[in-house]
Parts: sequence; structure tokens; C-alpha cells
Amino acid sequence: KNQVEQSPQSLIILEGKNCTLQCNYTVSPFSNLRWYKQDTGRGPVSLTIMTFSENTKSNGRYTATLDADTKQSSLHITASQLSDSASYICVVSGGGGNKLTFGTGTQLKVEL
Amino acid sequence: DTEVTQTPKHLVMGMTNKKSLKCEQHMGHRAMYWYKQKAKKPPELMFVYSYEKLSINESVPSRFSPECPNSSLLNLHLHALQPEDSALYLCASSQDHGTGFLNEQFFGPGTRLTVL
Repeated sequence: KNQVEQSPQSLIILEGKNCTLQCNYTVSPFSNLRWYKQDTGRGPVSLTIMTFSENTKSNGRYTATLDADTKQSSLHITASQLSDSASYICVVSGGGGNKLTFGTGTQLKVEL
Repeated sequence: DTEVTQTPKHLVMGMTNKKSLKCEQHMGHRAMYWYKQKAKKPPELMFVYSYEKLSINESVPSRFSPECPNSSLLNLHLHALQPEDSALYLCASSQDHGTGFLNEQFFGPGTRLTVL
């Protein structure tokens, strides 16, 4: 069964600190992996997208890594800001039928 | 224009009402999607249109009726909904409904639907 699991479920950090979110998947065959940021009540916004051959990709203060052998990905946020408070969703494409398998997300709260 | 727009932003309707959600994109994308998202849950795929034809219906109840009038527009017609249908309805589009980067989906801001 195609699954995407994320940890932690929720996280609270102080402004300016770094954090790392985890994503494990069992989707097969694998096409690509994306990280989305979703503010409450809004649509997801793409942060990064990586294929099998890529093991790291950055977008400003966001850096995603991918280990296709262990089927793990991480999203590292540096120098967090209050505006980083959101749900971060790991989404894997593949598994037949060109569908996306969504993780349940990590709810991040950045506090002063 | 790299945006997917959705109207209305909020909708409150009774169980006997008929309403429609609208989605529009001008990125030349040929695949468009409807998702339903409940609070603190990931989006759930409802429908996929590819080249203006319905290609995937995830066993969605018939009270939800999608329509793709042209390659830029996607509608979701609602009739006789139930309170449990209250959710955030997201529209997305991608260049193609294939594998790889072509199917990177761009999401709209969503319509918050409340069924009384």
C-alpha cells in the first residue's frame, strides 16, 4: 500500500531557530517527492520537488533532502520566522495511476 | 500568470441548495483536479480532468458533479449536500497528467464550504 508518513505531527520552535521535518514513504514505483507549505484555510504552495536522482534541493531558507534508497526525505528550515507557521506536507508521486500520495503533515508553530 | 484562482472563497449552503464552485488557471495546463480537505487531514483527490475529459473519479457521490467547460475552467456543481460535506475544496492544475515534473500540481486557495 502506498503510504507517506511524517514526523513529528506537530512542532513548536522559537523564532530564529532551525528545525527539521521528516518524511518516510512506501510509494512504488517512485516518480518524485514534493514538499508543500499550507497556511490554515489556504491551498498548499510548493516548496521543492525532487526526482530519484536528486538528493538535495534548496529554496531560500528551505532545504529538502531525499534518500531514495531508504525512502526518506527531510525538510530543513533555517532561521525560522513567524510566517513559517503552517502545515508542511510531504507528497510523493508515483505508485501507478500518476496519483499523489499525501502525508498527514507536520504542523509547525514558530513563537517569539 | 502562475496562479490558480477559486471562487467563492467561502460558501454556506443548505442541504437543498444548488451551488457551484469555480476554478480558473491561465498557465496553459491541460490537467485540472478537485480535492476535498477536512481539518488537519491531507487533501483527498475527487476528480481529475485531462485535456478537458474526466479521467479519474474517485468514487465521489453523485451530489458532486464536475464540469470542464474549457481548458482554463473547472467547475464543481453541488446539489443536496450533507453536513459532513463541509470542508475546504481545493482546485489544482498541472501541465499534464503524467509522471515527473509535468504533473507538478499548483493549488488554488480553496473554497471553504459549510453545509447547514
